[in-house]
Amino acid sequence: QSALTQPASVSGSPGQSITISCSGTNSDVGHYKYVSWYQQHPGKAPKLMIYDVSNRPSGVSNRFSGSKSGNTASLTISGLQAEDEADYYCNSYTRSTTYVFGTGTKVTVL
Amino acid sequence: EVQLVESGGGLVQPGGSLRLSCAASGFTLTNFWIHWVRQAPGKGLVWVSRINRDGSYTNYADSVKGRFTISRDNAKNTVSLQMNSLRAEDTAVYFCARDLTNSQDFWGQGILVTVSS
Repeated sequence: QSALTQPASVSGSPGQSITISCSGTNSDVGHYKYVSWYQQHPGKAPKLMIYDVSNRPSGVSNRFSGSKSGNTASLTISGLQAEDEADYYCNSYTRSTTYVFGTGTKVTVL
Repeated sequence: EVQLVESGGGLVQPGGSLRLSCAASGFTLTNFWIHWVRQAPGKGLVWVSRINRDGSYTNYADSVKGRFTISRDNAKNTVSLQMNSLRAEDTAVYFCARDLTNSQDFWGQGILVTVSS
């Protein structure tokens, strides 16, 4: 199972909106609603930001939103803040009953 | 407070074995599937394995199938990952995480496993 494809880096200025894409296949992203997104700061454990494509766990800012179209999922961060600078990973359940993470995207706040 | 704490990591020679444990607190372990996810130094996240609520069903990534075994002891609130025939490419920080509808909503702090001679 190959990793889902994400851009290596995305940047934006404070207050702007950015979108991170996550490209898969019709055996994973395109087949299920089970796409999730994680934020990871250096040396820390990942934190769940979005599950089931577009649902936010309790406590996650509504500046984070998720969507999916076909085989590509997206995470949008609006009103970018300095604390959003981190690595972001998508994840999908697959038809092999396993899971596959994305390649990861480094978000830089300019 | 929900907590997951990994233990059992360390340095092991290629071909050796190691058993990781994940201790859960702050929630009823029997109500949740549990995952193991790893991250090689400077690399991305890779899903390793999962186990269902009563331990009767397990899944593995192809890269560890036949070498790793996940198990759980709900009475002791722990999930374990037995790792055999370890290879250099198994070197990583290993995280245990709680399942939420096929995502992972709470994670441990991670434990480092180094496979080297």
